[in-house]
Amino acid sequence: DIQMTQSPSSLSAFVGDRVTITCRASQSISNYLNWYQQKSGKAPKLLIFFASTLQSGVPSRFSGSGSGTDFTLTISSLQSEDSAVYYCQQYGNWPLTFGGGTKVEIK
Amino acid sequence: QVQLQESGPGLVKPSETLSLTCTVSGGPISGYSWNWIRQPPGKGLEWIAYIYYSGTTNYNPSLKSRATISVDTSKKQFSLNLRSVSAADTAMYYCVRRESSTWSFDSWGQGTLVTVSS
Repeated sequence: DIQMTQSPSSLSAFVGDRVTITCRASQSISNYLNWYQQKSGKAPKLLIFFASTLQSGVPSRFSGSGSGTDFTLTISSLQSEDSAVYYCQQYGNWPLTFGGGTKVEIK
Repeated sequence: QVQLQESGPGLVKPSETLSLTCTVSGGPISGYSWNWIRQPPGKGLEWIAYIYYSGTTNYNPSLKSRATISVDTSKKQFSLNLRSVSAADTAMYYCVRRESSTWSFDSWGQGTLVTVSS
């Protein structure tokens, strides 16, 4: 299985801050990576697919980059509604696997 | 807008079979793959299995062949059976649509919590 390692596991930042979350794959997955946001008590929501393509309706302050084994999710200006857990997910190989999650809190 | 709704018992005894059904509304069942993903309380996400509308399936080997996924296109439903459950199978179970062109999980049910306990 491809292991997906996210860092940090949690972070706290102010509204307006730039936030970066990293996801590293245990082997190359090309651009086959998605990002999801999960708010408390809710199902995950797709933010970005194919490493950098923004899902329709997702605010443009979210962006993704990377390829191969190293990927990042960036929130350019953190908003209060962005408080959530963020997961990366690879589809470069079976079984599909997720990162352990990054909890983003607002200071 | 497509909607997915899980249904099934919230409590299952150890060694028995967990059975869940997902009903799809507001969109077609053809042209997509339909998945089950679970999340133990306070933990991360684990993909369990998918089935295409045509019946092609794929499973996570971690479930050690305990899982069976099926689809009923006439009812726009797909189902999961997980045999010989233990406390480790206690989780929120989500039914999820995977978009074929982007390979992303783009529509999720609200989830159903299944507890394995005697």
